[in-house]
Amino acid sequence: DTGVSQDPRHKITKRGQNVTFRCDPISEHNRLYWYRQTLGQGPEFLTYFQNEAQLEKSRLLSDRFSAERPKGSFSTLEIQRTEQGDSAMYLCASSPSGVRTGELFFGEGSRLTVL
Amino acid sequence: GDSVTQMEGPVTLSEEAFLTINCTYTATGYPSLFWYVQYPGEGLQLLLKATKADDKGSNKGFEATYRKETTSFHLEKGSVQVSDSAVYFCALRALLNDYKLSFGAGTTVTVRA
Repeated sequence: DTGVSQDPRHKITKRGQNVTFRCDPISEHNRLYWYRQTLGQGPEFLTYFQNEAQLEKSRLLSDRFSAERPKGSFSTLEIQRTEQGDSAMYLCASSPSGVRTGELFFGEGSRLTVL
Repeated sequence: GDSVTQMEGPVTLSEEAFLTINCTYTATGYPSLFWYVQYPGEGLQLLLKATKADDKGSNKGFEATYRKETTSFHLEKGSVQVSDSAVYFCALRALLNDYKLSFGAGTTVTVRA
């Protein structure tokens, strides 16, 4: 399968701990996106990369959140000092660049539960 | 800013019933419009799209027409099946901020046999 893959699929942690999620995009896609989805809501944009450059970050992405895409391939999203409000599904997506009308290809998501 | 408002659910239908999910948007210029679907236990996937006014997107028996005059992109299917049970999201991708999809809150559809 050559779709977007995310790991882990589910993470349970205690408040105050750090967590890291990984996303492997479709290999030929330049753009990689992170979204957050809470229960009963649509996904909300967090940040995106064009190759290894992080070009845009949402106000939702507090200082405790950091995302990287070191070689323009896979990406990681780290949350430090987790809070219960961080509990959500974290979605990764990828797309070719420069195709404004094109679709984003989503992974199955990483569900975070903060106790 | 850019935003999408879609009909609240949940919606419960019998097989072969007609389905409509309303979606309206607010955006500067002419965005591209999408319907994504999330089946139980699966990731979001594109159902259909329309990129300019009066375009009709269609897939798997679903249709939606890009209506600039009413800023709408309602999703319709004439005869639903149990396998159509899913959460449906309307979304837009704006002309200027083309890196971002703005989603509606989603509508949960359950089709009973």
